[in-house]
Amino acid sequence: SYVLTQPPSVSVAPGQTARIACGGNNIGSESVHWYQQKPGQAPVLVISYDSDRPSGIPERFSGSNSGNAATLTINRVEAGDEADYYCQVWDTSSDHPVFGGGTKLTVL
Amino acid sequence: QVQLVQSGAEVKKPGSSVKVSCKASGGTFSSYAVTWVRQAPGQGLEWMGRIIPIFGSANYAQKFQGRVTFTADEFTSTAFMELSSLRSEGTAVYYCAIGTRSLYYFDIWGQGTLVTVTS
Repeated sequence: SYVLTQPPSVSVAPGQTARIACGGNNIGSESVHWYQQKPGQAPVLVISYDSDRPSGIPERFSGSNSGNAATLTINRVEAGDEADYYCQVWDTSSDHPVFGGGTKLTVL
Repeated sequence: QVQLVQSGAEVKKPGSSVKVSCKASGGTFSSYAVTWVRQAPGQGLEWMGRIIPIFGSANYAQKFQGRVTFTADEFTSTAFMELSSLRSEGTAVYYCAIGTRSLYYFDIWGQGTLVTVTS
């Protein structure tokens, strides 16, 4: 089964840029989706297909994917961005989704 | 816009079963795949499987094979997840989710149902 690796935590000061990595074998050839989950809430899709922003997601959120790592970038980080972030791909060999372990973003 | 509303929290004893419902409001989900995801306390997201109501076909994660059953009632736009032989490790929040624009990601999630397994 395909494995996605995320750093457990990332910290950033307000107004700075947060970058959250998602590693996987040749992940650049996969489509990566990102979710934001705040405490006690369901996940929310923030990026689909590597870099597409769903309606209602601020332009501060962007994504990229190349080689063995995908990245979720949050510009001008705000206190309200503090959450867990999960990457996800569809593992075609097993025909099911795979989630990364999640990264806790702390806004200092 | 479709919304998914799940049933309320449950407390169950080890060895028993639980059935969680997920009702679509503001639309139907018969043409979507309804995915179930589990999240243990302090842990990440774990795919349990999915059902496509219009076909009635279901796929289950190997970990849950034989213990979980997905069903759906198209008339009430409600999907169900039944998990049997509950163990303490089954304490988790269970989510239903659909992808309205793609089979491969999930843009609509239920609010989650906390199932607590305790003797």
